[in-house]
Amino acid sequence: ETGVTQTPRHLVMGMTNKKSLKCEQHLGHNAMYWYKQSAKKPLELMFVYNFKEQTENNSVPSRFSPECPNSSHLFLHLHTLQPEDSALYLCASSQDPDTGMNTEAFFGQGTRLTVV
Amino acid sequence: AQSVSQHNHHVILSEAASLELGCNYSYGGTVNLFWYVQYPGQHLQLLLKYFSGDPLVKGIKGFEAEFIKSKFSFNLRKPSVQWSDTAEYFCAVIPTGGFKTIFGAGTRLFVKA
Repeated sequence: ETGVTQTPRHLVMGMTNKKSLKCEQHLGHNAMYWYKQSAKKPLELMFVYNFKEQTENNSVPSRFSPECPNSSHLFLHLHTLQPEDSALYLCASSQDPDTGMNTEAFFGQGTRLTVV
Repeated sequence: AQSVSQHNHHVILSEAASLELGCNYSYGGTVNLFWYVQYPGQHLQLLLKYFSGDPLVKGIKGFEAEFIKSKFSFNLRKPSVQWSDTAEYFCAVIPTGGFKTIFGAGTRLFVKA
């Protein structure tokens, strides 16, 4: 266990569905991230939150909507997805980047998403 | 743009063979470097990291990596692999003072028993 928990582990959804992915960390970290892992592609950083504030959105389509109600929880709301959005979605957390301390990211096990 | 390049997408070795996975990054400033490993069905976890000091870094499970600044490289090595090293390995970079981790595409290692 890394201290980062993602639910659900697997999700199959239709293109018209609305669903949410959840991530929870109890490591005392202040930064949380969503990554997309597709076959044969580098890990793609989607969103970054630092102290609950979104600091980065890497040109992610609006059908992905993140929410960070507090430093321990991160959600990814999904609606009207496309089949090409099928991938492993990883959540990660790390120490406060503003301290200048570049600590490693701790990853959850991911949610395997299949869009049909 | 900053990027990380891993030279091999797939590597197949027999047990006891030596391993070297290449990693190069493109960024002009100082960086912190990482290797992560993802075993089948498991989460990404840190294998080793370099922030400063000795450019030869020792990690878990007998892995090591050498930072060669002039070559912008951070290659991962292990003298003798085991079947349990079968996994996907990711090289990653964070520019010093930043926090956005840039990952390579990963290298799938399969070790034959």
